[in-house]
Amino acid sequence: SQQGEEDPQALSIQEGENATMNCSYKTSINNLQWYRQNSGRGLVHLILIRSNEREKHSGRLRVTLDTSKKSSSLLITASRAADTASYFCATDENSGSRLTFGEGTQLTVNP
Amino acid sequence: DAGVIQSPRHEVTEMGQEVTLRCKPISGHDYLFWYRQTMMRGLELLIYFNNNVPIDDSGMPEDRFSAKMPNASFSTLKIQPSEPRDSAVYFCASRSTGGAGTQYFGPGTRLLVL
Repeated sequence: SQQGEEDPQALSIQEGENATMNCSYKTSINNLQWYRQNSGRGLVHLILIRSNEREKHSGRLRVTLDTSKKSSSLLITASRAADTASYFCATDENSGSRLTFGEGTQLTVNP
Repeated sequence: DAGVIQSPRHEVTEMGQEVTLRCKPISGHDYLFWYRQTMMRGLELLIYFNNNVPIDDSGMPEDRFSAKMPNASFSTLKIQPSEPRDSAVYFCASRSTGGAGTQYFGPGTRLLVL
């Protein structure tokens, strides 16, 4: 298994509902990041949480980090059809230079 | 800033041909990364540079792949000879040393090898 595994692989919800995606990793990290990828596009950085932080908010995004369980979750509140995309977590291992991406969660928000 | 620029956006070639993908990182960024994305293998790091020097090329699949960064504003990823299994989307990303590790991705090059 690779560092940064997302769960579920696919999620389909109705507009207005909340979407929760989870990520697990294996090694010690400096920080964990979430990225979004719209179909046919490059990845776009959403939010970063450092290893000494437990929760972070940015607009409708809420990220939690549990270093004891080596897991993180991304919550998107009041989802919109435009939130339809793939979401990836990425871990910045202690070396700090590279990121290791998970396999992603495909989120579909139905209008 | 224009962001990370990649060219071409799409490439269709025949097996055995040489393919060259190009990337211009964000000005001032001193790290550059090449990734490959496929349905089967997800997003894989191929190689990354720091200050134009290759740091880790352990992800380069085989000798058919090579990457260069002759200066701070340009990098190439070359496949010679190309094979159908090289078909994928290739992304370039850059970041700065002080950027907490956030990477900025280009739009990708969609490569199809027939």
